[in-house]
Formats: sequence, structure tokens, C-alpha cells
Amino acid sequence: DTEVTQTPKHLVMGMTNKKSLKCEQHMGHRAMYWYKQKAKKPPELMFVYSYEKLSINESVPSRFSPECPNSSLLNLHLHALQPEDSALYLCASSQEGQVTGELFFGEGSRLTVL
Amino acid sequence: DAKTTQPNSMESNEEEPVHLPCNHSTISGTDYIHWYRQLPSQGPEYVIHGLTSNVNNRMASLAIAEDRKSSTLILHRATLRDAAVYYCILSNGNKLVFGAGTILRVKS
Repeated sequence: DTEVTQTPKHLVMGMTNKKSLKCEQHMGHRAMYWYKQKAKKPPELMFVYSYEKLSINESVPSRFSPECPNSSLLNLHLHALQPEDSALYLCASSQEGQVTGELFFGEGSRLTVL
Repeated sequence: DAKTTQPNSMESNEEEPVHLPCNHSTISGTDYIHWYRQLPSQGPEYVIHGLTSNVNNRMASLAIAEDRKSSTLILHRATLRDAAVYYCILSNGNKLVFGAGTILRVKS
């Protein structure tokens, strides 16, 4: 199994809602990543988890709250988002914390904030 | 983070080789060079990576300049399915930061 699975594929939420994005991998990878991608732009790194600990936060606003309950699962909790947060949210994983090999990406969760 | 510079877009004919250039003049000695591609409506897909020596895999070849300030991704025979955005990325530690990428169009 070389897949990173993201759910839901599409999410529409209001600015006062609380929702979560979920990412799962069963490749035994020890690093997991959240990226945000706006239309026709490259993916932007948000968070990196290494061995279930948050190792990088790219100055992401606190309305995005990541969580890594175990080595296979990564969540992104969303609260009080703004319409400009509408984007494709990509999850990725890699075998080790250091990026010396391949990152496996999911297909993304497309978020629309009304 | 060290930066990469790529052409905005390139065009190729089907069945012909494609050479996608990337400049990274501020690369450090421990930065790896990665290439990913992204097809429409999909997540990025790993293509190839290297540190100093040229690399080959089933998808492509990576030619790295001797001074490591530039590299070239080589697709040996472009197909219509290779039309995508190709990203050249440097990594050091546990960060992979994408640049703007090159849009590759393949003509039949």
C-alpha cells in the first residue's frame, strides 16, 4: 500500500464552523506534512510532523490546528476560517524526518469557505 | 531556503525528448535536488531526486552540473500523459519548499 488517503475530498464550511481534514498512511512513514495550494500556485508548506511531534510550523495562523494522534494519522482542525483560506489542502508523508527520499502526496481536500 | 529558477512554460512534441532546466545558484552542499510533477486535479507526484551524481529511474533522468548550481530533468520520450507542472525543489532537513514550476505542454 503506497497511498496517502485524504478525507473528505471536498468540504464547504461557513466562517463560524469547526471542521477537520484527515490524512492517513499505512507505509510506516515517520514524517507527515500539510501543504496548502491555491489555484495556479505551487503548494505551500504549512506543518511538518516528525515522529509524531510537530517540527515545523511555517507561521500558520492559529485558526489551523494540526494534530498527529499516531504515526499513521494526521489531522488538520479548522476553526473560524476566512474565505481566503479556500484552497486545496495536501497531505504528504515520507519515510524519515529528513527529506532525502520521496514524499508521497494524497490527492488533497478541496476546501471552500463561505 | 535556497531558491530555484525554472522557465514558466515549455512545449514538446510527443515521442521526443524533453530537457527541463533548473537553476539553483545558492544551493548548499547538503541540499538535495528533487523533481516532482503535478497533473491537473491531482497531488504532486515524485519524479526523481539526487545529491551530486546523475540519476536515472524508470520515469526520467536527472543531470546535475558539476558545480551543482543547475540541473536538468530529462524525459526521454514525452507522451501526452507527461503534460503537467514540473517542480524543481531543494531540500535540506525536513523541508521541501516548492518553487513556481514549469508548465510542460506536449503536442501530438
